[in-house]
Amino acid sequence: DAGVIQSPRHEVTEMGQEVTLRCKPISGHNSLFWYRQTMMRGLELLIYFNNNVPIDDSGMPEDRFSAKMPNASFSTLKIQPSEPRDSAVYFCASSIWDLNSPLHFGNGTRLTVT
Amino acid sequence: GQQVMQIPQYQHVQEGEDFTTYCNSSTTLSNIQWYKQRPGGHPVFLIQLVKSGEVKKQKRLTFQFGEAKKNSSLHITATQTTDVGTYFCAGLLAVGANSKLTFGKGITLSVRP
Repeated sequence: DAGVIQSPRHEVTEMGQEVTLRCKPISGHNSLFWYRQTMMRGLELLIYFNNNVPIDDSGMPEDRFSAKMPNASFSTLKIQPSEPRDSAVYFCASSIWDLNSPLHFGNGTRLTVT
Repeated sequence: GQQVMQIPQYQHVQEGEDFTTYCNSSTTLSNIQWYKQRPGGHPVFLIQLVKSGEVKKQKRLTFQFGEAKKNSSLHITATQTTDVGTYFCAGLLAVGANSKLTFGKGITLSVRP
């Protein structure tokens, strides 16, 4: 079991640039979650997919953030344009069923926007 | 909105001491999950509690769900340096159209050898 795979591990970009974060969930898991972690706000749920369909995107900060899940094995989180306040660690997690099931987190992407 | 509180955010103990931390919710929960995140790592699932008053043990770790399903505790017996990390609780409201798993801010445990 390879676990949840995220890329890149680190991303440094300048303000205004587009950033794309990628996630491959565990095979057989049908729920996928994007979280953002900062010291100030802790772990925040950005968006949650079930069977590739977005279920709850109320945590997406603003229109600059978008997420897609074109198939069961791939998801992207895009920030366009990026801002310094977007700097954080972004985690992708997957689970077998839904929010009742344990989450399996990827290693995260540490994003720095200068 | 639903809030899950973990206070304090940091705790320092001497190796061998016991450690207890609490998680409190403003609303009744369907279940509660606990995760551990090592420094520089990602959250790793530890346990899920579902029933009122439920107690589960994992070696030196004991987890309890409150009778009212609004709070939970984690107790570590005789802490070791391997226990260092941040412990998060995550509470789930009764499953419904707008259910959400809400994480507390975590408590970061440091252990002095």
